[in-house]
Amino acid sequence: SQQGEEDPQALSIQEGENATMNCSYKTSINNLQWYRQNSGRGLVHLILIRSNEREKHSGRLRVTLDTSKKSSSLLITASRAADTASYFCASPDRGSTLGRLYFGRGTQLTVWP
Amino acid sequence: EAQVTQNPRYLITVTGKKLTVTCSQNMNHEYMSWYRQDPGLGLRQIYYSMNVEVTDKGDVPEGYKVSRKEKRNFPLILESPSPNQTSLYFCASSLTGDYGYTFGSGTRLTVV
Repeated sequence: SQQGEEDPQALSIQEGENATMNCSYKTSINNLQWYRQNSGRGLVHLILIRSNEREKHSGRLRVTLDTSKKSSSLLITASRAADTASYFCASPDRGSTLGRLYFGRGTQLTVWP
Repeated sequence: EAQVTQNPRYLITVTGKKLTVTCSQNMNHEYMSWYRQDPGLGLRQIYYSMNVEVTDKGDVPEGYKVSRKEKRNFPLILESPSPNQTSLYFCASSLTGDYGYTFGSGTRLTVV
């Protein structure tokens, strides 16, 4: 299985602090995607990093990718209470089964005011 | 507004009664997919489609059917629902499989 695994499973921080979540995956990838899910709601695509990229930024989000270690990290800077959600990494298959997308079990982030 | 629309949002049904959950996207996306989400198990892919009339199995296809007769629609069919199919279901679409996915709001299905 190519399933990604997030670490930690749960993270609790104060507003203003930075939150770092990690994702490990098992096989070669074309890209790695990060999603956010508020409780019981649909997932929202946050950022996609391609296998030839090492770092990518979007607003307060910073994603890194280390293909040699098969790992990625998502950093949220200056966290807000509204960032409270579950965060998932996902990676698609390559080639003819590109539509297969594997999700990790997620990191539950709680940001206290 | 670009979106993926699932219906219904909530559904309670009885074992064995055939049902269809509809999914429609207005973004001309090639790829569409169905997932189920269960506590402790994360999101598992049921079926996906790479284009009209092209579908393939995901992690947990048993007990489900799909069809892709038009590019915009990708319904999920449960021919004979069972209680173990009680779950939160999501439809998603992507321009190509190499881009991020847009998700619908979800369908919470309860089979009694």
